[in-house]
Amino acid sequence: LAKTTQPISMDSYEGQEVNITCSHNNIATNDYITWYQQFPSQGPRFIIQGYKTKVTNEVASLFIPADRKSSTLSLPRVSLSDTAVYYCLVGDKVGNTGFQKLVFGTGTRLLVSP
Amino acid sequence: ETGVTQTPRHLVMGMTNKKSLKCEQHLGHNAMYWYKQSAKKPLELMFVYNFKEQTENNSVPSRFSPECPNSSHLFLHLHTLQPEDSALYLCASSALSGTVNEKLFFGSGTQLSVL
Repeated sequence: LAKTTQPISMDSYEGQEVNITCSHNNIATNDYITWYQQFPSQGPRFIIQGYKTKVTNEVASLFIPADRKSSTLSLPRVSLSDTAVYYCLVGDKVGNTGFQKLVFGTGTRLLVSP
Repeated sequence: ETGVTQTPRHLVMGMTNKKSLKCEQHLGHNAMYWYKQSAKKPLELMFVYNFKEQTENNSVPSRFSPECPNSSHLFLHLHTLQPEDSALYLCASSALSGTVNEKLFFGSGTQLSVL
């Protein structure tokens, strides 16, 4: 199984940039890297997805080195409302069906303080 | 608003009760999923339906019975549950199950308590 490893928790202050790194040493050639955000008692919400190099959207940036064995989610100037759990996912094939399921790990619990 | 609606938001049931969770997606997606999230644990994939056909059953006990009458609706029928089944049950949908660009859209979940 493709597996990801992230820090369990991180602390930051309002206005700071937060970088969360995820390791995925066994990522497959066709796998994309996807990050989700989850607030308490809600479902996860898609943040960003990438394959290699750098991807940026209105919410975050995703940095992926050439070997793709890790990735870094960058949140610029966080606010209190960015306090959440952040999940890094890579695809995982099921047998020979070609069906790909996304496996959630424990995620990184980010706490933003005033 | 994610386009995926789950009802009820909260449910308390006894171990001998039978209840059903409902999920509806308004995104035109072809794949729907049930996930379970227990306290302090990662999300666990339970079932996957692709074009109304079940393509994944992740070793879920038979007291959980899914039903997918069409691509827009998904149910999870519950009977004779155990207290350890108390969790947040999340429904999700995606455009096409099996692609490398799969993006999941989640509902807000049903917080289930089994007494």
